[in-house]
Amino acid sequence: TQLLEQSPQFLSIQEGENLTVYCNSSSVFSSLQWYRQEPGEGPVLLVTVVTGGEVKKLKRLTFQFGDARKDSSLHITAAQPGDTGLYLCAGVSNFNKFYFGSGTKLNVKP
Amino acid sequence: EAGVAQSPRYKIIEKRQSVAFWCNPISGHATLYWYQQILGQGPKLLIQFQNNGVVDDSQLPKDRFSAERLKGVDSTLKIQPAKLEDSAVYLCASISGGREQYFGPGTRLTVT
Repeated sequence: TQLLEQSPQFLSIQEGENLTVYCNSSSVFSSLQWYRQEPGEGPVLLVTVVTGGEVKKLKRLTFQFGDARKDSSLHITAAQPGDTGLYLCAGVSNFNKFYFGSGTKLNVKP
Repeated sequence: EAGVAQSPRYKIIEKRQSVAFWCNPISGHATLYWYQQILGQGPKLLIQFQNNGVVDDSQLPKDRFSAERLKGVDSTLKIQPAKLEDSAVYLCASISGGREQYFGPGTRLTVT
């Protein structure tokens, strides 16, 4: 059983469209992270959000941490084929223990 | 700065055989993690080391899996005997003092 649920599981969109991926949990975390993983590679950290209600922007990516620090969202504006990959959220608890979500597989078609 | 190294990258074995994976974390990183990632799922923590001590191995199937981190640097993860359901990518990650995990490329294990 995954501690964090991500939705949707799969997303296939055209280049230029916007999308939002959700990460939900019943647990409170000290921080939440988003990673992107490409085939044959390990996940790469995109962002860490720490404060409830925090919003961080990374170029066309916007990350939000819920007020109660249980959920998060990732919004991509004008998606590009290079955004294709598996997006993972991870809740961070005390003692640097990481709980990963089930993942959202994004495919952006040119 | 060199990244996290893992070997082998791929391994195919028959069920009931043994297999070992090796991880060399980033120099100076005290905390090392082994994860199991089954196709289509997120990584699941198997074991967490702080230097050469185990912090958490609650999800490690200890009847068949073992791991060690001698001298607090390199680590090995062993499976003996392997089952079909062990087919997965085994990821190693390390962190220094903060929350940023650096992952290796993983070892893809296929058990036939």
